[in-house]
Amino acid sequence: EVQLLESGGGLVQPGGSLRLSCAGSGFTFNNYAMNWVRQTPGKGLEWVSGVSGGGGSTFYADSVVGRFTIYRDNSKNTLYLQMNSLRVADTAVYFCAKDSPSDGVQFDYWGQGTLVTVSS
Amino acid sequence: DIQMTQSPSSLSASVGDRVTITCRASQSIRSFLSWYQQKPGKAPKFLIYGASTLQSGVPSRFSGSGSGTDFTLTITSLEPDDFATYYCQQSFSNPLTFGQGTRLEIK
Repeated sequence: EVQLLESGGGLVQPGGSLRLSCAGSGFTFNNYAMNWVRQTPGKGLEWVSGVSGGGGSTFYADSVVGRFTIYRDNSKNTLYLQMNSLRVADTAVYFCAKDSPSDGVQFDYWGQGTLVTVSS
Repeated sequence: DIQMTQSPSSLSASVGDRVTITCRASQSIRSFLSWYQQKPGKAPKFLIYGASTLQSGVPSRFSGSGSGTDFTLTITSLEPDDFATYYCQQSFSNPLTFGQGTRLEIK
């Protein structure tokens, strides 16, 4: 059974940093691209970042370029999102999501989400 | 960026009804369109990819169609478990983008 378990969320002041983790199990982790998707409370879904299976290719939404870094440790089956220079607008539930094996990038399994609150 | 627009934003229906949700892309995305279902406090659930291919385990009352810029999600014979918010998502180009969601409520 595929499982994704996020951790690392919490309360941080504007300008601060936080690192999210996502531990994957039940699948061959390094065979799949992984992504972070966030959801503002009461609002819709926003793709944040993605990384290829080997970790060599990364992709970011314009809203986080230069502030967030996605990376993975395939030896630990873990995905990370380093978030720096956090803004109030980054407040959201952050989900990690596994890429499906089909053409295109879509998310067949999701973690339960971790809440990031940026507030003074 | 490709903008995805869903309609309606909300919809009231009864158990047993047939409902259709529309998703329109701001430019052609061929068939790189997926649908998700989300219930309050839960992660989205993957329903359909490639515009019309049902993910394994998804009931056959769900179906998707369309290509280019116009897509639909149809649920025939609504069941109580289907009342949720539905999102479309394009994977034709980065940044990946979602529709704003359609909330399906019980009438």
